[in-house]
Amino acid sequence: QQQVKQSPQSLIVQKGGISIINCAYENTAFDYFPWYQQFPGKGPALLIAIRPDVSEKKEGRFTISFNKSAKQFSLHIMDSQPGDSATYFCAASRGSNSGYALNFGKGTSLLVTP
Amino acid sequence: NAGVTQTPKFQVLKTGQSMTLQCAQDMNHEYMSWYRQDPGMGLRLIHYSVGAGITDQGEVPNGYNVSRSTTEDFPLRLLSAAPSQTSVYFCASSYLGGDSPLHFGNGTRLTVT
Repeated sequence: QQQVKQSPQSLIVQKGGISIINCAYENTAFDYFPWYQQFPGKGPALLIAIRPDVSEKKEGRFTISFNKSAKQFSLHIMDSQPGDSATYFCAASRGSNSGYALNFGKGTSLLVTP
Repeated sequence: NAGVTQTPKFQVLKTGQSMTLQCAQDMNHEYMSWYRQDPGMGLRLIHYSVGAGITDQGEVPNGYNVSRSTTEDFPLRLLSAAPSQTSVYFCASSYLGGDSPLHFGNGTRLTVT
């Protein structure tokens, strides 16, 4: 059973636009929500993460928005660039081993066109 | 600083053959794991280990074996390859506890004919 549902499966955005990827979860015990970025031919790498004590976290052009009551969180990429073209995975976990005991979404393939 | 190293990068097997995918990390991480990535399926956990001598099953363990004799190495064995095992395999490692992120290798692309 997929514990984290991610949408859309693929996304095409023009350069300079905003890319938005959404995730939803059911397990209210989840308390750590990272996003991983994967370029072709490479393994995923941690991009940004949030805990539910804040509703938003921003790192450069990347922002996580978190809605605890709706059990949803999303990744916003502002001023999207062709170099952002990659696959993005959301994930969720809980407890003291939250960094690695991750439940991944199925991924979103993002293409930013010039 | 090599991080997580996977070998080989590519492999073609015939149905029924066996092989071992190698994974080594030089970060002294206690936790190591294997994922498979298939189109539309995301990352699925095969097996994991929280230290030398300790392994456990993930979401999709059937057809695979692992062992952890050292902190650094975590090989994945395919006992009798099947076309359904055609996939990209990723090894990942992390420190135990807290928000320590997973560090992934660059994957092994396996094709079973």
